[in-house]
Amino acid sequence: AQSVSQHNHHVILSEAASLELGCNYSYGGTVNLFWYVQYPGQHLQLLLKYFSGDPLVKGIKGFEAEFIKSKFSFNLRKPSVQWSDTAEYFCAVTSTGGFKTIFGAGTRLFVKA
Amino acid sequence: SQTIHQWPATLVQPVGSPLSLECTVEGTSNPNLYWYRQAAGRGLQLLFYSVGIGQISSEVPQNLSASRPQDRQFILSSKKLLLSDSGFYLCAAGRGGFEQFFGPGTRLTVL
Repeated sequence: AQSVSQHNHHVILSEAASLELGCNYSYGGTVNLFWYVQYPGQHLQLLLKYFSGDPLVKGIKGFEAEFIKSKFSFNLRKPSVQWSDTAEYFCAVTSTGGFKTIFGAGTRLFVKA
Repeated sequence: SQTIHQWPATLVQPVGSPLSLECTVEGTSNPNLYWYRQAAGRGLQLLFYSVGIGQISSEVPQNLSASRPQDRQFILSSKKLLLSDSGFYLCAAGRGGFEQFFGPGTRLTVL
């Protein structure tokens, strides 16, 4: 069965610190990969996505993620976080052309001003 | 762009009462529609998805059911609520393996 594992459930950083959130998935076929973000009081929204091509993808607000096929990983990074990045981040996987998306448990990020 | 509407935003219901949560979608046609339950620290659990009118797939055996009476309307129901049905319910729309668009959610408390 497909699964998504996010390594950290809670992360606390100071502003300007670098961020890396881990995500590993379990699926044998071709996948589409996503990071979603939920800011306090807001809808869940797409941060970035990978379908094919360059395994380093850039999203909104300076975030990027790298797809490493051999490691079944899709880690999220940001060189310098801001207080406004405080949110919950979800990694998600969909089989290419499939209907179902499997979400990880989420990582709550708190950035101290 | 797509807009997902959900109502009500919050709901407090007694055990054993019926439930009806509604989701409507604007800005697209023939979307795949999804109901998720979000629990703290557990991510999003897919409950139901639909690829067309009247077509419902259930992912988890439970006390809930879903219906899609119109292309852009998705309803989550229960005949008799249980305490364990409390949670945060999200509706989403998407196509194939592409990204999904989420509604604001409904916070359900069963007492």
